[in-house]
Amino acid sequence: EDQVTQSPEALRLQEGESSSLNCSYTVSGLRGLFWYRQDPGKGPEFLFTLYSAGEEKEKERLKATLTKKESFLHITAPKPEDSATYLCAPSMFSGGYNKLIFGAGTRLAVHP
Amino acid sequence: DAGVTQSPTHLIKTRGQQVTLRCSPKSGHDTVSWYQQALGQGPQFIFQYYEEEERQRGNFPDRFSGHQFPNYSSELNVNALLLGDSALYLCASSLVVSTGAQETQYFGPGTRLLVL
Repeated sequence: EDQVTQSPEALRLQEGESSSLNCSYTVSGLRGLFWYRQDPGKGPEFLFTLYSAGEEKEKERLKATLTKKESFLHITAPKPEDSATYLCAPSMFSGGYNKLIFGAGTRLAVHP
Repeated sequence: DAGVTQSPTHLIKTRGQQVTLRCSPKSGHDTVSWYQQALGQGPQFIFQYYEEEERQRGNFPDRFSGHQFPNYSSELNVNALLLGDSALYLCASSLVVSTGAQETQYFGPGTRLLVL
């Protein structure tokens, strides 16, 4: 069964305290893995796409990496404005088309 | 360049009623996907429209239906509303690519539906 698990469910950091978020997946026919950021009451905002194991993408204080079964979102020296829920979504090929499967997300709170 | 827009932003209905939500895709996009997001959960895929047809569907009952118009905008209709239909409904647009890779989906702000 296709499954996506994100950990931890919630993470509290002090400003400047680096950490990593995990996304574990069991998806057949992976067609890419996506990371989104979602602020409360708003739609998800696209961050990164990773397509193959070993690939890395960076954007400001965020770096996403991908292995065959996991993806990590590393946050370096976070600021309060990085507080949000981070969603990962592997894409699987099913029924002739690609489909995103979202995890439940990690709620990140960064305190000054 | 306007992003994905959705209307209305909030909606309150009672059980048994019907509701229609609307979505305009990002400029240049031809595909619209709809998701339901319950509080504290990730978005759940409802269905996707391309070339005015439902291309694929998630595990949602037939009470959920949709439509795509020639200008690529889309509607989500939910009949016989249940309390459990209360959620944030998200629309995402994308552009079909010929490589076979998953295209990037860009989300709108969502419509918050409350069923009483």
